[in-house]
Amino acid sequence: AQSVAQPEDQVKVAEGNPLTVKCTYSVSGNPYLFWYVQYPNRGLQFLLKYITGDNLVKGSYGFEAEFNKSQTSFHLKKPSALVSDSALYFCAVRDIANAGKSTFGDGTTLTVKP
Amino acid sequence: EAGVVQSPRYKIIEKKQPVAFWCNPISGHNTLYWYLQNLGQGPELLIRYENEEAVDDSQLPKDRFSAERLKGVDSTLKIQPAELGDSAVYLCASSFSNTNTGELFFGEGSRLTVL
Repeated sequence: AQSVAQPEDQVKVAEGNPLTVKCTYSVSGNPYLFWYVQYPNRGLQFLLKYITGDNLVKGSYGFEAEFNKSQTSFHLKKPSALVSDSALYFCAVRDIANAGKSTFGDGTTLTVKP
Repeated sequence: EAGVVQSPRYKIIEKKQPVAFWCNPISGHNTLYWYLQNLGQGPELLIRYENEEAVDDSQLPKDRFSAERLKGVDSTLKIQPAELGDSAVYLCASSFSNTNTGELFFGEGSRLTVL
């Protein structure tokens, strides 16, 4: 069965510092990987995805993520955090061998302090 | 272009009462999803539609939950009767069909409180 783990419930960084939100996954075949962000009382918004090709993918709002097949990880990164980046972040994996079913992690709350 | 629209945004009901949530997906999106999001957890799939057909409803508690997507556009999720444990946010999402590479577009959710 496919699964996603976000090992940190919370990540706190100072504004201007780099940030990393960790994600590891488990699927039977090749994964499609996604990051979403959720602001309070809102739905999830797509940030970026890895399908194939370059292991470093760039997305919205200056975020990027690195796919590491050997470590089965897809960590979300940003070189310089903004206070407005404070939100709940979800990693998701889609298993193409399982009818495209998506599985989400439990989320990581990012707090960026001024 | 309008996003995924859900209503109501908030609903408070007594246990054993029925409740229904409505979703209008993005125009042209043939795939529609209903997810359940409990506090502090990620979304969990309840049901996925391809046009009018429910292609994955394995996680839908069919004794009390039902869903429909008439004409392959709008969808309704119903709970009857509601239980205390059903208190959660119900998210609707849509995507282009026939692709596993596309991201999901989510509505703002319907928050249910069962008293």
